[in-house]
Amino acid sequence: NAGVTQTPKFQVLKTGQSMTLQCAQDMNHEYMSWYRQDPGMGLRLIHYSVGAGITDQGEVPNGYNVSRSTTEDFPLRLLSAAPSQTSVYFCASKYRGEAGYTFGSGTRLTVV
Amino acid sequence: AQTVTQSQPEMSVQEAETVTLSCTYDTSESDYYLFWYKQPPSRQMILVIRQEAYKQQNATENRFSVNFQKAAKSFSLKISDSQLGDAAMYFCAYRVQGAQKLVFGQGTRLTINP
Repeated sequence: NAGVTQTPKFQVLKTGQSMTLQCAQDMNHEYMSWYRQDPGMGLRLIHYSVGAGITDQGEVPNGYNVSRSTTEDFPLRLLSAAPSQTSVYFCASKYRGEAGYTFGSGTRLTVV
Repeated sequence: AQTVTQSQPEMSVQEAETVTLSCTYDTSESDYYLFWYKQPPSRQMILVIRQEAYKQQNATENRFSVNFQKAAKSFSLKISDSQLGDAAMYFCAYRVQGAQKLVFGQGTRLTINP
């Protein structure tokens, strides 16, 4: 049981490049979410999913796309990276009736 | 708007002593959850303790306990017998029952002095 696995752990992008942050969980959790963490701030919700084929926007969705083709995977796509997207990104998951989320170890993304 | 405020950006405590981290929140909802997450230098977000709003009894997990004051919208974390491994950023968070969004405070950096 690996929990929530995020790859890569670190990434540097040039402005305008695209990339996908990967998130996988092996706990059969229905709910998955993406958050970003910026200095001096708590985590903010980007997108979330309540099951395969179902996604919705969170608090800061602009510049990011998601899809949920399987229960296990919830990738986050940056279509055209901007310096404002420099942040630490966390994926989280939980069961439908569970109170708290389990988080991955995060991806530190730098856009130059 | 639902907001979570942690008024102490930094706290420090001597090893083996007790420290209390403060958290207040603003909501018009009646059914919700409150959480404390720990983020050590490894960056991992670790759930420390949770509280259901409908429960009057304060949650406890070993050396960690909360003081939940629903009317005052206050949710403080008490760490007893502080250990060096408790050094981390601590985030207070809130979630409405049935909603998916966790609302986080700004965090409190806790230092443990040996």
